[in-house]
Amino acid sequence: NAGVTQTPKFQVLKTGQSMTLQCAQDMNHEYMSWYRQDPGMGLRLIHYSVGAGITDQGEVPNGYNVSRSTTEDFPLRLLSAAPSQTSVYFCASRSTGEQYFGPGTRLTVT
Amino acid sequence: GESVGLHLPTLSVQEGDNSIINCAYSNSASDYFIWYKQESGKGPQFIIDIRSNMDKRQGQRVTVLLNKTVKHLSLQIAATQPGDSAVYFCAENFGNEKLTFGTGTRLTIIP
Repeated sequence: NAGVTQTPKFQVLKTGQSMTLQCAQDMNHEYMSWYRQDPGMGLRLIHYSVGAGITDQGEVPNGYNVSRSTTEDFPLRLLSAAPSQTSVYFCASRSTGEQYFGPGTRLTVT
Repeated sequence: GESVGLHLPTLSVQEGDNSIINCAYSNSASDYFIWYKQESGKGPQFIIDIRSNMDKRQGQRVTVLLNKTVKHLSLQIAATQPGDSAVYFCAENFGNEKLTFGTGTRLTIIP
């Protein structure tokens, strides 16, 4: 199993641009989540999904959209990037046990 | 909202000694706690978890203690090794997918 994969690893955007961060898992996990991690802080939940077709907001959802059309994929969309969205983004998945995190995407918005 | 915090942001320990990393939580309704290890440039990695109906849980070289009276969680790492150098996070869960993470403690192992 590849586990949880994220693309791209690094991305630089200009303010106002849009983009999609990709996340995929091959473990047939029901639950998937997106977090952001800012310097000196823990991870904060952006959006999560408890299964295909079901998504919900986390702690910091503004400026982000998600969809879950398949069990495997959970893309995160930035509609109009802002400098405040500069962060490292982690995707995670789990079944009934522990969460598995992807390697992260480092996003810089200038 | 509720938050999970750590007492110390950094901890330096001699190689071979035991490490104790502490975490305070404020939501008495939390029923599940997890410790994660994050190495530089990587995603968090699960270490050990504990449910609120337990006081102690042991893994390989790690022990988690939960004191619900004072809302305190600790991670003990026995015989620390250079590979234990990382940032350690505690996280709490309220029975859904909403994990709340603490700010982390950076553990440095001194050779």
